[in-house]
Amino acid sequence: EAQVTQNPRYLITVTGKKLTVTCSQNMNHEYMSWYRQDPGLGLRQIYYSMNVEVTDKGDVPEGYKVSRKEKRNFPLILESPSPNQTSLYFCASSLSRGRGWGTEAFFGQGTRLTVV
Amino acid sequence: DAKTTQPPSMDCAEGRAANLPCNHSTISGNEYVYWYRQIHSQGPQYIIHGLKNNETNEMASLIITEDRKSSTLILPHATLRDTAVYYCIVRAGNTPLVFGKGTRLSVIA
Repeated sequence: EAQVTQNPRYLITVTGKKLTVTCSQNMNHEYMSWYRQDPGLGLRQIYYSMNVEVTDKGDVPEGYKVSRKEKRNFPLILESPSPNQTSLYFCASSLSRGRGWGTEAFFGQGTRLTVV
Repeated sequence: DAKTTQPPSMDCAEGRAANLPCNHSTISGNEYVYWYRQIHSQGPQYIIHGLKNNETNEMASLIITEDRKSSTLILPHATLRDTAVYYCIVRAGNTPLVFGKGTRLSVIA
């Protein structure tokens, strides 16, 4: 079954304690991205990756790191989490067919993170 | 900023067609119209997309006006499980998906 898998689904942590949220896709997609969703602010892109070893900032990258060492995995790293990073996080992946092609994105089930 | 305008909410009776409008008057020639939905706090789900022709799949139909400045997503027989926030997004190639506030569709029994 084609899917994007995030782990963990729920996480409560303390300020400053480094954490990693994993994301894995089984569709051989080149393009992967991370979003956060907050009430009243909607879904905002944090980082994205066009392919292995290629990453770029989205709209709200501050406080986050990513890496893309393998095509299937795109972990989100919070080096020193703060309470304002409490949010619902989604990973997404899609094929990359270049400009002019429409492609659908698949989203993971989400990770609800609380930083206290 | 999102390039689309959608009504904040709509109601639809169960079993009836749900017609969700979207305005995208500044759409460029290489931009597609995408529709996604998000049920409660689940990950957004792709519904359909199109460039200029009308499209239909097992979930919905997408009607794009000839000037491409607006479109309508049609759920032919809405069920309670279609209650969700529906997002209309215009996007070229693999540029980031930019989600606006969407339309909250409530399907009523």
